[in-house]
Amino acid sequence: DAGITQSPRHKVTETGTPVTLRCHQTENHRYMYWYRQDPGHGLRLIHYSYGVKDTDKGEVSDGYSVSRSKTEDFLLTLESATSSQTSVYFCAISETGLAKNIQYFGAGTRLSVL
Amino acid sequence: GENVEQHPSTLSVQEGDSAVIKCTYSDSASNYFPWYKQELGKRPQLIIDIRSNVGEKKDQRIAVTLNKTAKHFSLHITETQPEDSAVYFCAASSGNQFYFGTGTSLTVIP
Repeated sequence: DAGITQSPRHKVTETGTPVTLRCHQTENHRYMYWYRQDPGHGLRLIHYSYGVKDTDKGEVSDGYSVSRSKTEDFLLTLESATSSQTSVYFCAISETGLAKNIQYFGAGTRLSVL
Repeated sequence: GENVEQHPSTLSVQEGDSAVIKCTYSDSASNYFPWYKQELGKRPQLIIDIRSNVGEKKDQRIAVTLNKTAKHFSLHITETQPEDSAVYFCAASSGNQFYFGTGTSLTVIP
């Protein structure tokens, strides 16, 4: 498996509280992604990053923000968690966004918002 | 944006039979089509991919075909084994973003 670590692996929180998920890579890949996985929806892109401090929105970005201050770390923040954000969150990395663009996934974070 | 549809959502086959999963995409700019296998509670893992300049690619028991004109691509698994049981996802990409199908749950019956 590619060197991708997600933390925490499991989290239970209450509605309205802020939550930050961390993705750490040791591959020095330029691109990093955050997805959420829900039954019947597959994997949906939340945000992605194409370099330090360079980020862009995906198809389900509302209610989420991201930051990338170092190549190896990509943080996903839920400013005020809602029950609809209960999901499994996957981080992914890829070497480039163009010709190669093979994605490798982290082990996932299971988030429950009560 | 891109829209990827995947069928069927569930598939059961007898061990040794073949399994076929189909996906369609909407954006003609998409040029990279990976397939991922996800076992229960695990991360998605790439099993095969194809680029738009190729019509077919094979890796042992797994093959993928691409029809750019019709905008569809398919995963073929031959001589299925119980360890092939998992959820399979197709995806399409034209660069920075990936769009995934909703997944096919494959069960191989011994």
